[in-house]
Amino acid sequence: NAGVTQTPKFQVLKTGQSMTLQCAQDMNHNSMYWYRQDPGMGLRLIYYSASEGTTDKGEVPNGYNVSRLNKREFSLRLESAAPSQTSVYFCASRYRGGTDTQYFGPGTRLTVL
Amino acid sequence: ILNVEQSPQSLHVQEGDSTNFTCSFPSSNFYALHWYRWETAKSPEALFVMTLNGDEKKKGRISATLNTKEGYSYLYIKGSQPEDSATYLCAPLYDALNFGKGTSLLVTP
Repeated sequence: NAGVTQTPKFQVLKTGQSMTLQCAQDMNHNSMYWYRQDPGMGLRLIYYSASEGTTDKGEVPNGYNVSRLNKREFSLRLESAAPSQTSVYFCASRYRGGTDTQYFGPGTRLTVL
Repeated sequence: ILNVEQSPQSLHVQEGDSTNFTCSFPSSNFYALHWYRWETAKSPEALFVMTLNGDEKKKGRISATLNTKEGYSYLYIKGSQPEDSATYLCAPLYDALNFGKGTSLLVTP
């Protein structure tokens, strides 16, 4: 099992450019999540998908869109990148229940100039 | 936005010291409390999941307790080692995991 994979690992964008961060899991998990990590702010939830076909906003959804492509894949799109979106982005997945462990991907370090 | 507080924000101890930190969270509509260990340049890794009031979990020298009625959890590390240096995150589960900002632990030899 590869667990949770993310691509790319690093990305530099110019303000106004768009890009999609890809995430996939091979653990047959139902729920998938996107977080951003900024110094002093911890992990903040951007969007999540409790199950295939559903998506919901988290704490900081503005400037982002998501697509739950199928059970395995959950992508995060920045339509018009801004310097405030410079961050490390983590994808995570969990089977379903409250006691199920959540597994994280390796992260994508994004810099917006 | 749910208020998940972790204290202290950072901690520096000597090898062999025992230490503990706190996570407090809103106790209503709460399903479970997750603890994670996060080393620099890596991804968070799960330590414990607890659900019941009075729950206590242990993994080697690390243990955790949970009070769901008052909304707090303690994480204890007995005899800290340099390899325990990491950020420890707590995350109560409501509709999704809501992470605190973490306690950054540095253990020096």
